[in-house]
Amino acid sequence: ETGVTQTPRHLVMGMTNKKSLKCEQHLGHNAMYWYKQSAKKPLELMFVYSLEERVENNSVPSRFSPECPNSSHLFLHLHTLQPEDSALYLCASSQAPGGRETQYFGPGTRLLVL
Amino acid sequence: AQKITQTQPGMFVQEKEAVTLDCTYDTSDPSYGLFWYKQPSSGEMIFLIYQGSYDQQNATEGRYSLNFQKARKSANLVISASQLGDSAMYFCAQLRRGSARQLTFGSGTQLTVLP
Repeated sequence: ETGVTQTPRHLVMGMTNKKSLKCEQHLGHNAMYWYKQSAKKPLELMFVYSLEERVENNSVPSRFSPECPNSSHLFLHLHTLQPEDSALYLCASSQAPGGRETQYFGPGTRLLVL
Repeated sequence: AQKITQTQPGMFVQEKEAVTLDCTYDTSDPSYGLFWYKQPSSGEMIFLIYQGSYDQQNATEGRYSLNFQKARKSANLVISASQLGDSAMYFCAQLRRGSARQLTFGSGTQLTVLP
């Protein structure tokens, strides 16, 4: 496996379900990110894990909970989601600080909340 | 706060022609990075090209080049010799350095290459 992988690629869940999205990077990077892409809206940064420090967008609801057990793996735990949470969730990684800090993205998880 | 503006929601170009996608940014940071990404209908965000705020020359990567005009705060993407596979959504983004490492994206331009 190379680059950034995400599983599952598609997910349909009810509002009372609990599910987790998984991201794994094989690039040797030390920073990982979760983004949300809703229809007709720019990408929105949700969470950053960089050098063991977590930074979050204060507008992200608590029903989204990230976990980063090591520099290669990132999870997004979902519970009691709302239909407006339906979106494409993208994971990315980069090497930071210094240099270009280019973020490389995974293929995304398309989430539909019913 | 950073802001990225892409004023062209949709663009059409004939195959083998060149096309310019516009991007303007607004930042007070002295050091920043500018990126262009391509997003096909499959959803993956593909990195295309990078320009650093202190770079003296415009960046080039194969058929992609970046027309960087720092005083005007513009970073337009030029795609030469367009191919049908170039049809996709294109996003301009700016990196704010620091602990947040925030990448702010524009709203994107949907490029369609016509045969």
